[in-house]
Amino acid sequence: EPEVTQTPSHQVTQMGQEVILRCVPISNHLYFYWYRQILGQKVEFLVSFYNNEISEKSEIFDDQFSVERPDGSNFTLKIRSTKLEDSAMYFCASSVEGTSVQNTGELFFGEGSRLTVL
Amino acid sequence: RKEVEQDPGPFNVPEGATVAFNCTYSNSASQSFFWYRQDCRKEPKLLMSVYSSGNEDGRFTAQLNRASQYISLLIRDSKLSDSATYLCVVNRDDKIIFGKGTRLHILP
Repeated sequence: EPEVTQTPSHQVTQMGQEVILRCVPISNHLYFYWYRQILGQKVEFLVSFYNNEISEKSEIFDDQFSVERPDGSNFTLKIRSTKLEDSAMYFCASSVEGTSVQNTGELFFGEGSRLTVL
Repeated sequence: RKEVEQDPGPFNVPEGATVAFNCTYSNSASQSFFWYRQDCRKEPKLLMSVYSSGNEDGRFTAQLNRASQYISLLIRDSKLSDSATYLCVVNRDDKIIFGKGTRLHILP
């Protein structure tokens, strides 16, 4: 069964360092997302991406964050200068049809990348 | 008011019992609705979509009341494997918003 894969599964970094989290969405999917979940808290939307550009972003997704689809398979989230409060599980997700009302709305999530900022 | 609100739980329920989850959403422009399930330290997975007419999938029944901006999930004959966090999810524009989730523990 096709799946979304994420690397690394866990990254520990020093505050102020740059981090890149990588995702390989399901191959025929067109819409890509990043979510984060701070331990014990809810899953929070960060950004959605379609046709090589950001289609929607949340207030969390400030100038410290960027996303890129550098080739036909990878989808990356970069945090430029990490802060302690960036420690969380970061989930990548993809969907075949986007989240319009016409589709099932099913997002397929990767297993997540746990980021620990010291 | 939070965009998606759920009872935080946890619900501790004996095996075989019926469990009901409730969810309210604040934005009347929300377009579609879902229940996701998240096991401890795992990724969320779609459990079922919620349709205006209500829908059922085996032991699971989902209902939507747009006038009240209310969504529900009913689990009948609960199993130990149903223990998880249940996330109410609302789609508005190109954003899917998750509720904080309700943790369910099924007791043997």
